[in-house]
Amino acid sequence: GQQVMQIPQYQHVQEGEDFTTYCNSSTTLSNIQWYKQRPGGHPVFLIQLVKSGEVKKQKRLTFQFGEAKKNSSLHITATQTTDVGTYFCAGPRRSQGNLIFGKGTKLSVKP
Amino acid sequence: DSGVTQTPKHLITATGQRVTLRCSPRSGDLSVYWYQQSLDQGLQFLIQYYNGEERAKGNILERFSAQQFPDLHSELNLSSLELGDSALYFCASSAGPNTGELFFGEGSRLTVL
Repeated sequence: GQQVMQIPQYQHVQEGEDFTTYCNSSTTLSNIQWYKQRPGGHPVFLIQLVKSGEVKKQKRLTFQFGEAKKNSSLHITATQTTDVGTYFCAGPRRSQGNLIFGKGTKLSVKP
Repeated sequence: DSGVTQTPKHLITATGQRVTLRCSPRSGDLSVYWYQQSLDQGLQFLIQYYNGEERAKGNILERFSAQQFPDLHSELNLSSLELGDSALYFCASSAGPNTGELFFGEGSRLTVL
């Protein structure tokens, strides 16, 4: 069936280092969304990408949607302790439209 | 605050029992989604309702059922509970029938002993 995969599963960085998480879909996606879940919290929407090759920035966060609309990445420049959490990508299921989430990348930042 | 309200926040029960989780969507949102989050399992889609009707079904067990009421709140019923049902259950809402931005509630943590 349709799958959304994320790597790495865990990433430990020193504060100030950069961080990237990658998302790959088994099928072409109409759009991709990114969510952040803080420890003990609930997922919070970050952004949605729709166009092939789209790049969007939110301060230190850069989101990319691949040309084939099957992959995406989230890059954080100069991580801070406030970036700690799990980052999920999600794409709509072809047949139903509901979101399929990747398993997430758990980011820890050492001060 | 996402505007999505879930109750109860925590629930501890025994195997074989039945529980009901409740969700009130964000004001104006017509779609309600239920997700299960187990340790290291990500967010598993269970079911979606739109304006009172079931719209999409995911990996929801037959022991589980849900409904959305005329006032748009939703309930997820879990019966014949097993140890493996212990998880965080999230409700999310969105404005329309096709997934746009999802607004998640704080979740209901279910522990089955």
